[in-house]
Amino acid sequence: GQQLNQSPQSMFIQEGEDVSMNCTSSSIFNTWLWYKQDPGEGPVLLIALYKAGELTSNGRLTAQFGTTRKDSFLNISASIPSDVGIYFCAGLRDDKIIFGKGTRLHILP
Amino acid sequence: NAGVTQTPKFQVLKTGQSMTLQCAQDMNHNSMYWYRQDPGMGLRLIYYSASEGTTDKGEVPNGYNVSRLNKREFSLRLESAAPSQTSVYFCASRKRGNTEAFFGQGTRLTVV
Repeated sequence: GQQLNQSPQSMFIQEGEDVSMNCTSSSIFNTWLWYKQDPGEGPVLLIALYKAGELTSNGRLTAQFGTTRKDSFLNISASIPSDVGIYFCAGLRDDKIIFGKGTRLHILP
Repeated sequence: NAGVTQTPKFQVLKTGQSMTLQCAQDMNHNSMYWYRQDPGMGLRLIYYSASEGTTDKGEVPNGYNVSRLNKREFSLRLESAAPSQTSVYFCASRKRGNTEAFFGQGTRLTVV
């Protein structure tokens, strides 16, 4: 079965709020990835993390590679309507990319 | 600049029918993947291919076969479709040494 546990499953927030989501694994990954999926589309890579402890930003998105190499976090600051979608964490090991179950982000008007 | 192209986009099958989902990439990538996406389950890896001529099982390979026909193409075959295989199927490719996998737009398959 899947090795990545992602939480929360869904979030309802107001526009302008910050968002945090996380991902944990039962095993070590050498690379952590965060993807976003818009309705009707395939996932698109947001951020890649390569080293334990690494903190990387991409605009309003910030992600961290946990020091144990078994977890990762994604933060979105000052959310806007186009942030709506499903966010997936993923781990890369031995050419396999394994995904979490996703966090569905809803933004209330 | 097509990227990853999947065909068909939609398909309805009767239980027991067979079909092949096609995937082609024009980015000269080494690795290719097939995933299925079900509500609340995220993306689950069915099979992957690290290079032309090699294929390996992923998390949920039962009921599927794959063929890495050449570097560009990676097909997924359902020999005897079952309702449990109703899903959205995504193909992806990745260049060796890079972390980013590029996804197709998906094939929505319904088995009745």
